[in-house]
Amino acid sequence: SQQGEEDPQALSIQEGENATMNCSYKTSINNLQWYRQNSGRGLVHLILIRSNEREKHSGRLRVTLDTSKKSSSLLITASRAADTASYFCAAGGTSYGKLTFGQGTILTVHP
Amino acid sequence: EAQVTQNPRYLITVTGKKLTVTCSQNMNHEYMSWYRQDPGLGLRQIYYSMNVEVTDKGDVPEGYKVSRKEKRNFPLILESPSPNQTSLYFCASTLSGPNNSPLHFGNGTRLTVT
Repeated sequence: SQQGEEDPQALSIQEGENATMNCSYKTSINNLQWYRQNSGRGLVHLILIRSNEREKHSGRLRVTLDTSKKSSSLLITASRAADTASYFCAAGGTSYGKLTFGQGTILTVHP
Repeated sequence: EAQVTQNPRYLITVTGKKLTVTCSQNMNHEYMSWYRQDPGLGLRQIYYSMNVEVTDKGDVPEGYKVSRKEKRNFPLILESPSPNQTSLYFCASTLSGPNNSPLHFGNGTRLTVT
């Protein structure tokens, strides 16, 4: 079953605006990861946040994790047209070796 | 260059004709995994391997086989492909497992089974 579910399914914004994507998961996790995919290409890792962390930053990316609500969010600040892509969360459960992806959010940033 | 290489990129085949999709990584990673991606379903894990000769089922293993005879290679085998296996397939690897480190993905193999 899908561990991660993302919201919204699609997001359309103007360049310079912030984009927020949310991810919910069902069971206990070891970590929560975010990936980006450009148009059918391979996924690229963005950020990994461990279950004992609440917030993590990387450049214009900010990820939060709320284990009590079983949810995470990815914030992209000052978006650019080049940020247009699909974004996936992936839950690393306590079962070693399994990483379960959500359905993804399609982000479109208009120049 | 550190990479995960999948071949072929595109494959069209007919129902029942055995095929193999190859995956190779040059990063000395212990962990490798196969995913399929379908519209509206995200990525679903097929099989994974934590080391040579160690493989385990993911969420959708039916109709697939894998082997891990060498650390760098992790081929995906479809013994008797069916149209519902038409999908975009990704191989991924990481140093010691997704609980500790991020996955590196190949560029994908788009399979069509008619």
